[in-house]
Amino acid sequence: AQKITQTQPGMFVQEKEAVTLDCTYDTSDPSYGLFWYKQPSSGEMIFLIYQGSYDQQNATEGRYSLNFQKARKSANLVISASQLGDSAMYFCAMSYNDMRFGAGTRLTVKP
Amino acid sequence: NAGVTQTPKFRVLKTGQSMTLLCAQDMNHEYMYWYRQDPGMGLRLIHYSVGEGTTAKGEVPDGYNVSRLKKQNFLLGLESAAPSQTSVYFCASSRSGRVVADTQYFGPGTRLTVL
Repeated sequence: AQKITQTQPGMFVQEKEAVTLDCTYDTSDPSYGLFWYKQPSSGEMIFLIYQGSYDQQNATEGRYSLNFQKARKSANLVISASQLGDSAMYFCAMSYNDMRFGAGTRLTVKP
Repeated sequence: NAGVTQTPKFRVLKTGQSMTLLCAQDMNHEYMYWYRQDPGMGLRLIHYSVGEGTTAKGEVPDGYNVSRLKKQNFLLGLESAAPSQTSVYFCASSRSGRVVADTQYFGPGTRLTVL
């Protein structure tokens, strides 16, 4: 069975600094996708970044990058140059036949 | 394009009542999904559909039924609501059958309270 674990319930970061949000997963399937979503206080789910299990390079999207370590089954999100608007819940998710989400990490950016 | 819309945005039910949540997407996506999000938790998949006329169970399907009569609509039904079904419900859609590669786009959510 697929399982996603986010071990950091809450994280703080100073504005303009980088922060890493941890995500580990467990699956026996060779083909899967890994996603990160942002959920601000308004409640909507915003797609940030995707990594395929066969992708050779780590995914990047603007200030977001995904540190994919397949052997360790980890897919950490790195946010560079944090902004106040980055304060939100962040969810890691894995897809195979369906989609499973982690419990989330609440990121707070301090001015 | 409106993307993914959900109706209603809020609803309060009494135990035992029934209701239907409507999800509509205008992106011509094949796959559609229903999730629930409980306080302090991530999303859990209730049911999903890989195309018009098809449905499949997700992680937490009990107490819910779904239908996909039209490609653009995905309905979630609660036949006899229970307080344990108090949650925020999200609908999502994705382009095609390669779930591993296709981003899901989410609706704004429906906040349901069962008294």
